[in-house]
Amino acid sequence: QSVLTQPPSASGTPGQRITISCSGGSSNIGSHTVNWYQQLPGTAPKLLIYSNNQRPSGVPDRFSGSKSGTSVSLAISGLQSADEADYYCSTWDDSLDGWVFGGGTKLTVL
Amino acid sequence: QVQLQESGPGLVRPSETLSLTCTVAGYSISTAYYWGWIRKPPGKGLEWIASIYYRGTTYYSPSLRSRVTISLDTSKNQFSLEMSSVTAADTAVYYCARDVDSRLDIWGQGTMVTVSP
Repeated sequence: QSVLTQPPSASGTPGQRITISCSGGSSNIGSHTVNWYQQLPGTAPKLLIYSNNQRPSGVPDRFSGSKSGTSVSLAISGLQSADEADYYCSTWDDSLDGWVFGGGTKLTVL
Repeated sequence: QVQLQESGPGLVRPSETLSLTCTVAGYSISTAYYWGWIRKPPGKGLEWIASIYYRGTTYYSPSLRSRVTISLDTSKNQFSLEMSSVTAADTAVYYCARDVDSRLDIWGQGTMVTVSP
């Protein structure tokens, strides 16, 4: 059981916009910024969004993040087949004194 | 360009101790930042294991604290993970990562560890 809750799966068609949600509590999302990681099949996780809505250099602006209270969302617009991956939200948890992750959302591009 | 590379045995016997090393290239781990270990069991999500500050302060997952030790070897520019009394539940891909300004910005490629007799 993950501390942060994500839907296990999401899907969309090429060109579509989709969102992935992630909910937590006051000791984690409510108190800290959130990061999103993208894990393409057979590869290591890659930082996709940091500090709720910032993109590292090289990440297309099709990817965006937002936060409200104890929930965050990742939006992907102009969906591409190359976006098929597992997506994880993550933040620090004050109660556990460590990093916590969502269970991951597997994105399928139909 | 900063790169991290995990190394260690691919197979560990139950009840034994797992030892992994992360070699960092392109940045001196004695300069700054946290350095951490994360794992991904087959069919499951990411799980944070431990982190260590460049000055030596350590943080451990509460669920693994009793079995895990993280350490730095600045002379080799490496940091390591030891996990004792392993079981099949510890079978996973283990990743090392750099923790900068509250984000894991650079990850190693990962190393698969199987716990089996």
